[in-house]
Amino acid sequence: DIQMTQSPPSLSASVGDRVTITCRASQSISSYLNWYQQKAGKAPKLLIYSASSLQSGVPSTFSGSGSGTDFTLTISSLQPEDFATYYCQQSYSTPKTFGQGTKVEIK
Amino acid sequence: QVQLVESGGGLVKPGGSLRLSCAASGFSFSDYYMSWIRQAPGKGLEWVSHISGSGTTIHYADSVKGLFTISRDNAKNSLYLQMNSLRAEDTAVYYCARERSSRGAPDYWGQGTLVTVSS
Repeated sequence: DIQMTQSPPSLSASVGDRVTITCRASQSISSYLNWYQQKAGKAPKLLIYSASSLQSGVPSTFSGSGSGTDFTLTISSLQPEDFATYYCQQSYSTPKTFGQGTKVEIK
Repeated sequence: QVQLVESGGGLVKPGGSLRLSCAASGFSFSDYYMSWIRQAPGKGLEWVSHISGSGTTIHYADSVKGLFTISRDNAKNSLYLQMNSLRAEDTAVYYCARERSSRGAPDYWGQGTLVTVSS
């Protein structure tokens, strides 16, 4: 199975900050990398697919980059509604494994 | 609009069985892979299984292989997960999700159904 390692596990940031979350795959996954946002008690929401494609309806403050084994999710200006847990997921091969999550908290 | 509604969760004893259902609407169900993804209380996400639109291609996570069976009924726009020999570690919220393709992202998710395995 492909292992996905996210960092950091958590971070504290202020509204307006630029936030970067990284995800590393244990082997090359080309661009088959997806990012999700999950708020407490809710289902995950797809933000970015294929490493850098913005899902319809997602604000342009979210962006993704990377290929191969190293990927990044960037929130260019953190908004109050962005405080949540973020997960990466590889869809290159089954099982489609997730990273362990990054909790973004209010500083 | 795309809607996915899970049902069938509940409390079951270790060793017991449960069948989850997911009713889909708002898209051409048979054109899409469908998946089950679970989340244990306070933990991260775990992909469980997916099935192709025709039902001919199926994959499972090693943790459920031989214990869980995914299936679909395209005439009823429904996805199922038969869970047998349940263990405490299967306790989780189970989400059904639509996948864009065999290598695609789960792009729409249901609200989830809670399965609790406890004596």
